[in-house]
Amino acid sequence: EAGVAQSPRYKIIEKRQSVAFWCNPISGHATLYWYQQILGQGPKLLIQFQNNGVVDDSQLPKDRFSAERLKGVDSTLKIQPAKLEDSAVYLCASRLAGGVDNEQFFGPGTRLTVL
Amino acid sequence: AQSVTQLDSHVSVSEGTPVLLRCNYSSSYSPSLFWYVQHPNKGLQLLLKYTSAATLVKGINGFEAEFKKSETSFHLTKPSAHMSDAAEYFCVVRPIQGAQKLVFGQGTRLTINP
Repeated sequence: EAGVAQSPRYKIIEKRQSVAFWCNPISGHATLYWYQQILGQGPKLLIQFQNNGVVDDSQLPKDRFSAERLKGVDSTLKIQPAKLEDSAVYLCASRLAGGVDNEQFFGPGTRLTVL
Repeated sequence: AQSVTQLDSHVSVSEGTPVLLRCNYSSSYSPSLFWYVQHPNKGLQLLLKYTSAATLVKGINGFEAEFKKSETSFHLTKPSAHMSDAAEYFCVVRPIQGAQKLVFGQGTRLTINP
């Protein structure tokens, strides 16, 4: 079974530039998550989708971050404009809908460096 | 708010010796708790989970954890460390009963000495 795919794996940009990350979840997984993992910290949830609807975006900095999942499959996370403190690994995860104990499967992440 | 505290940021053990990674949780009800492992340049992988069934939970790769309500702890152990166990380990709580949101601890880096 293919896992969660993310691209690019690495990205270096200058502050005030824009950047976008892409995630392809495991086939059939209705729930999709984006996490931010700053160096030395645990992942922090940014946004959760159920199909193409947003379930929780309470910790998403909406003045600069946006995310979409238009067809309920792939998702894109965008930062515009980027700040130095956005340097982090951005993780995508997916899980089957229903069954509260269903496991979240994580992708390898995109490492963003903002100079 | 529900949270977890990992008591050690770095643990170093010799190959073949026991591993203990400590985690305390804060919750107003009986929580669901998890341990995830993150190898360099790889995705997070679920090691084991506690969801109010047996208090001693066995996971993959010989790891296990014991839920102790009286001590609000969920420590991760392994009898004998292997070089391949070197990684970052995260204790995780699901803060809202029945919800899907996970809250991660700060992580413990495990180093295995030959």
